Parts: sequence; C-alpha cells; structure tokens
Amino acid sequence: GQQLNQSPQSMFIQEGEDVSMNCTSSSIFNTWLWYKQDPGEGPVLLIALYKAGELTSNGRLTAQFGITRKDSFLNISASIPSDVGIYFCAGGGSSNTGKLIFGQGTTLQVKP
Amino acid sequence: NAGVTQTPKFRILKIGQSMTLQCAQDMNHNYMYWYRQDPGMGLKLIYYSVGAGITDKGEVPNGYNVSRSTTEDFPLRLELAAPSQTSVYFCASSNPGGDYGYTFGSGTRLTVV
Repeated sequence: GQQLNQSPQSMFIQEGEDVSMNCTSSSIFNTWLWYKQDPGEGPVLLIALYKAGELTSNGRLTAQFGITRKDSFLNISASIPSDVGIYFCAGGGSSNTGKLIFGQGTTLQVKP
Repeated sequence: NAGVTQTPKFRILKIGQSMTLQCAQDMNHNYMYWYRQDPGMGLKLIYYSVGAGITDKGEVPNGYNVSRSTTEDFPLRLELAAPSQTSVYFCASSNPGGDYGYTFGSGTRLTVV
C-alpha cells in the first residue's frame, strides 16, 4: 500500500531556532497536508497544498508541495515553546473517498 | 460549534470484552473516518464512510466493525478485545469537494488488559 516516510522522527531544539521536516513517498499525491497534534488532542490542520510546486505560508510556517508530487516539506521559523507537539504530513487526492495517508510523525520539543 | 465529538475519552477493557466507540459530527460532513494511532507509527485508517449506509475497510480493519445509519454518527465496534487493540482512536470527518482537511475528534484512549 501507499506509505509516507517522514523525517526526522524527533527534534529537540532551542527556542528561536528554525525547524525543517519533510515527507517522501513512492506514490504520487494530488494533495499534501500538514497537521499538528498537541498532547491529548486530535491533529489540527496547519497547511494544505493542492498544486505541484506550490509554496504556502501560515504565519511562521511554510510548506511546499514537491514538483514530482512525491514529497513535501514544512519549515517553522523562530520556534517558540508552544510549537511543541507532533507534526504529521498527509497525502491525499488520489481517490474520490477523501482518504488520507499519514506519515509517522515528527515529535518536536522546544527548550526555552 | 462542537465539530467532532468522541466518547468515551478513556476506557480499560479486559481481553474478550466488547465495546463501541462513539463518534458524532455536527458539520453535515459526508465523509467520516476512524484511525488508530500507535507510538511512532502515525495514523492508520481502520474504516471509512462516504455517506450514510456506505462503509468500507481501510488499512487495518481486522477486529473492528462500523455502521453509518445517519450522516452525523459513525460508531466503531470492537468485538473480542485483544491487547493489540490498545491504542488511541481518532474519528475524523471531511466534506467532499472541500479542501481535504479533516476535522478530528479529541480521541479515545483504549487499554486492553
């Protein structure tokens, strides 16, 4: 089946540093999305990408849809303590069911 | 606006017991999904539904059943609980033709002992 490889698995950074994480797949997706999960909560959508090459920002977050349609990255600039959580990439758009395939997640810890 | 509501939040089951995880959404979304989350494994799709009366298996359906009698509700049934079903379960919904952004519930943490 389709799989997404997300890296890194975890990051421990200093407040103020920039963060970068990425997702790759052997399959093509028509949609890439990035979610954040706070402890004890469900994931919340951060950014959605719908076109190959698209670069989209949401505050300090920037994400790109790879040209090959097989990868995406998420950057967080000037990290703050509330950025702590698990970040998931998800690929979709290859069926009419709305199904998403999720990466394994990147756990981010920020040291004040 | 409640969004997606899951109950219960926590549950401990004994091996062989059964239970139903409830999920309700008030956004009139046609599409609903059940995922399980295990540490380091991401979210795996158990079952999904594209509308009332229509359900289909996802990636890891064994040991589970679902029904979708109304647009709002999508319960997940565990029969004969096993330790391998210890996990956090998330229900989500989305709108066809929308932005594929799921709205997730806050999860049910299930432990089978």
